Amino acid sequence: AQTVTQSQPEMSVQEAETVTLSCTYDTSESDYYLFWYKQPPSRQMILVIRQEAYKQQNATENRFSVNFQKAAKSFSLKISDSQLGDAAMYFCAFNPTTANSKLTFGKGITLSVRP
Amino acid sequence: NAGVTQTPKFRVLKTGQSMTLLCAQDMNHEYMYWYRQDPGMGLRLIHYSVGEGTTAKGEVPDGYNVSRLKKQNFLLGLESAAPSQTSVYFCASSYQGNTEAFFGQGTRLTVV
Repeated sequence: AQTVTQSQPEMSVQEAETVTLSCTYDTSESDYYLFWYKQPPSRQMILVIRQEAYKQQNATENRFSVNFQKAAKSFSLKISDSQLGDAAMYFCAFNPTTANSKLTFGKGITLSVRP
Repeated sequence: NAGVTQTPKFRVLKTGQSMTLLCAQDMNHEYMYWYRQDPGMGLRLIHYSVGEGTTAKGEVPDGYNVSRLKKQNFLLGLESAAPSQTSVYFCASSYQGNTEAFFGQGTRLTVV
């Protein structure tokens, strides 16, 4: 079974600054996908970024980038130039590529942005 | 574009009552999931389906049943609601297990 751990329940960042959200996972699978989802107060779940385990290059999406360390089973999200609209709960998620796999989430981290 | 639609969005039940939550997706996705979200617990998988006519248990399946008679619909049933089932329920779907999961707006269920 796989597990996803987000050990920091809350974080705060100053507007325009950079913040890194941590995520670790445990699995015996060699091929899998990792995701970061954002949940603003509206409750809607929004995909932020996706990383394929077989790719060594870290994924980036505008101000969002990841630091993927496969050997350490670590998948952190870096938000640059933080904006007030980034305030939300962020979830790390894992899904192996095997058939009939399921998407597993961490407990989430609440990010607040100080103006 | 509808995407993933959950009904109802809010519901209050009395202990022991039954209800069904409906999830409908119009993206021809194979995979569908039901999660519950509780404070400090993240999203926990209740049941999921990897195709029409198939279902499988997730992390917290007790007290729930599901059915996937049609590819576009995934129903979550509570036969005898308990206060411990007070939660926000999310349905999601994805084309494959490794592709983006699309979520519904959630259902806030309160059992009194």
